[in-house]
Amino acid sequence: DAGITQSPRHKVTETGTPVTLRCHQTENHRYMYWYRQDPGHGLRLIHYSYGVKDTDKGEVSDGYSVSRSKTEDFLLTLESATSSQTSVYFCAISERTGGNTIYFGEGSWLTVV
Amino acid sequence: GESVGLHLPTLSVQEGDNSIINCAYSNSASDYFIWYKQESGKGPQFIIDIRSNMDKRQGQRVTVLLNKTVKHLSLQIAATQPGDSAVYFCAENIQGGTSYGKLTFGQGTILTVHP
Repeated sequence: DAGITQSPRHKVTETGTPVTLRCHQTENHRYMYWYRQDPGHGLRLIHYSYGVKDTDKGEVSDGYSVSRSKTEDFLLTLESATSSQTSVYFCAISERTGGNTIYFGEGSWLTVV
Repeated sequence: GESVGLHLPTLSVQEGDNSIINCAYSNSASDYFIWYKQESGKGPQFIIDIRSNMDKRQGQRVTVLLNKTVKHLSLQIAATQPGDSAVYFCAENIQGGTSYGKLTFGQGTILTVHP
């Protein structure tokens, strides 16, 4: 494992409620990412961070926000969860030096009912 | 196997056989490629990577081949074992600049290894 912890691992929430997923890394890597994985769409980038307080949008960022106040933590927030955000969410990290291999966490299963 | 609608391509092999998983990538500007293995209920696991200045790279029991002319990537697994059963994804990226870390993933191939 690449020193990545995601929490919660499983969550069921109601439509319209806010949800925050947390990613914690112990590798001191500069780059962190949030992906979602859905059948028929594969893995798609939501948001990423290239340093503390430096974040940018990915391919499917609508309805999501992120924050990174410390190197080791990257939070993904669904301000008002919708059923279309039912998915598996993966956090990933990478260190630019020597290449950009990206390592993934174990995933957070989110169901919005 | 064939991909139909939302169904992933599948490959079934016998234990001990060699497996070849193929991937067509989309962006001719991509210069970095990674193969991932994903087991049920787990995150993608890095297997091997290759840069566009190479056409072949070998790891332990795995070899990746890159054909930039036809934008094709393949993963060869030697002496396939039941523990190799998983979904395999290729991913492409353009190194440097704002594209850093923005992997584009293929749909995946399901590999099933029969004892």
